[in-house]
Amino acid sequence: AQSVSQHNHHVILSEAASLELGCNYSYGGTVNLFWYVQYPGQHLQLLLKYFSGDPLVKGIKGFEAEFIKSKFSFNLRKPSVQWSDTAEYFCAVNAAAGNKLTFGGGTRVLVKP
Amino acid sequence: GAGVSQSPSNKVTEKGKDVELRCDPISGHTALYWYRQSLGQGLEFLIYFQGNSAPDKSGLPSDRFSAERTGGSVSTLTIQRTQQEDSAVYLCASSSEDRTDTQYFGPGTRLTVL
Repeated sequence: AQSVSQHNHHVILSEAASLELGCNYSYGGTVNLFWYVQYPGQHLQLLLKYFSGDPLVKGIKGFEAEFIKSKFSFNLRKPSVQWSDTAEYFCAVNAAAGNKLTFGGGTRVLVKP
Repeated sequence: GAGVSQSPSNKVTEKGKDVELRCDPISGHTALYWYRQSLGQGLEFLIYFQGNSAPDKSGLPSDRFSAERTGGSVSTLTIQRTQQEDSAVYLCASSSEDRTDTQYFGPGTRLTVL
């Protein structure tokens, strides 16, 4: 069975700081990888996704993530955060042969103005 | 265009009652998913429908949970004899049949079992 770990449950940082959220997955086969974000009071939205090709994926709002197959990781980064990036971030995986998403536990990010 | 919609947005029920939660997927999406978001368990897959294929029910936590999808569009998740541990936000998502397509999530139904 596949599983996803997000190491940080809560992150607090100031505006303009850099952000990196860790995500590791456990699955032996080919996977598709996602980062979703849930802003306060809003529903889950896709930030970015990786299926194949360039392991450095760029998403919306200046976010990017790098797939490192040897480390089973898909870390999310943003060079300079804004107060509006305050949200909960979820890493998710599905097996390339399947459809259901397996989510990590989420990381709550608070950006102080 | 319209996104995934869910109703009701909030549901409070008494232990032992049955509840029905509704999901309207994005028009044209053949795949529909139900997930549950709870404090103790995070986001969990419940059930997946794809076209006319048999649904993947592997995530349903007990036989009190069932779901159907009529006409390949609207889906209803039914929880019978609700328990307090069923309290959670129930999320619906839809996508095209392409496995690489994004799953688009609805706003969820917050279920509280008293």
